[in-house]
Amino acid sequence: GDSVTQTEGLVTLTEGLPVMLNCTYQSTYSPFLFWYVQHLNEAPKLLLKSFTDNKRPEHQGFHATLHKSSSSFHLQKSSAQLSDSALYYCASTGANTGKLTFGHGTILRVHP
Amino acid sequence: EAGVTQSPRYAVLQEGQAVSFWCDPISGHDTLYWYQQPRDQGPQLLVYFRDEAVIDNSQLPSDRFSAVRPKGTNSTLKIQSAKQGDTATYLCASSTGTGGYEQYFGPGTRLTVL
Repeated sequence: GDSVTQTEGLVTLTEGLPVMLNCTYQSTYSPFLFWYVQHLNEAPKLLLKSFTDNKRPEHQGFHATLHKSSSSFHLQKSSAQLSDSALYYCASTGANTGKLTFGHGTILRVHP
Repeated sequence: EAGVTQSPRYAVLQEGQAVSFWCDPISGHDTLYWYQQPRDQGPQLLVYFRDEAVIDNSQLPSDRFSAVRPKGTNSTLKIQSAKQGDTATYLCASSTGTGGYEQYFGPGTRLTVL
């Protein structure tokens, strides 16, 4: 079956340093990839989603590139902010299904 | 625009008790999803509807869980006889389509089964 792997459970950074959260996937089809962000006691909210035409999605300084050759969709930001501290989920779905398959999530903690 | 709303926000039960969760999706969204999110895990799809029709309920424990969306708008998820393993947050989401369409999540109902 389809799966999404986020290798880091917790990433701790100093403010201003670059962020990279890993995401790899296994799928029998060519999936759409998403990054959702969840703050404490809030619902997950969409941060980024992959495009079908190899464009690189960007939002709030975050970007991610879908690499089909390595089945990856890593999340990156050049400079972490304190407000980026949250739980980040990578998720995938197929073109003809509504089922989102989530990874286990990565907690990002940014300190001064 | 109002987001996805859910009620109740919290529920605490003894094993064997029943509970219902209610979801009101964003107006105009034809697709509605129910996810279970155990503590420290990602959300896992239980069931989803397009309008009033169930599209996929393969992950719904059918012996104790049921979900309906009778008019293609609001939805109810019911647990007939709760077990401790059902302790989780139950998230409702809605969208205007499937595949690459964004799913908008509600605040969730946090269920604790003692």
